[in-house]
Amino acid sequence: SYELTQPPSVSVSPGQTARITCSGDALPKKYAYWYQQKSGQAPVLVICEDSKRPSGIPERFSGSSSGTMATLTISGAQVEDEADYYCYSTDSSYNHWVFGGGTKLTVL
Amino acid sequence: QVQLVQSGAEVKKPGASVKVSCKASGYTFTTYDIIWVRQPTGQGLEWMGWMNSNSGSTGYAQKFQGRVTMTRNTSISTAYMELSSLRSDDTAVYYCARGDSNGWPNYWGQGSLVTVSS
Repeated sequence: SYELTQPPSVSVSPGQTARITCSGDALPKKYAYWYQQKSGQAPVLVICEDSKRPSGIPERFSGSSSGTMATLTISGAQVEDEADYYCYSTDSSYNHWVFGGGTKLTVL
Repeated sequence: QVQLVQSGAEVKKPGASVKVSCKASGYTFTTYDIIWVRQPTGQGLEWMGWMNSNSGSTGYAQKFQGRVTMTRNTSISTAYMELSSLRSDDTAVYYCARGDSNGWPNYWGQGSLVTVSS
């Protein structure tokens, strides 16, 4: 099976830049999507196709991908950005679709 | 606006089946895939499978092969996910999501809690 690996937790102070990584062998050829999930709520798409920001998502959210690693960057993180973040992608043959294990972002 | 409204919470006994519905509005239902994802309490997201809302063709995660069935009723813009032979570790919130033009999830339903307990 295919796996995406994320750090369990990231912590920053308000106004700092938070970076959350996601590693996977197929990422050089496959998109990474990123979802934000606040406590008790459904996930929300914040980055699609590695680096595109859907309508309504603040500009401080950005994404990039290089080699086997995709990165979600939150520039000037705010307290309301505290949430779990999940990357999502597929293996090279579209046989396995997976989420990363999730990263808990703490902003305080 | 795009909305996915899911059915309510269910309590089932081990060995039973559950069928969760997902009613779509705000777009043409048959244009986009529906993806199902589950999340056990306190754990991460798990991809279960997808369905082409137009043709009805499906693809399931190997873990659920033989136990999950995804269907739809296009006349009422509703997708369904049925999971059989339930076990206690199937206790989770089940989400439906609409796929984007690539078939990857963008809009999500509110989730349906399924509790499996004797």
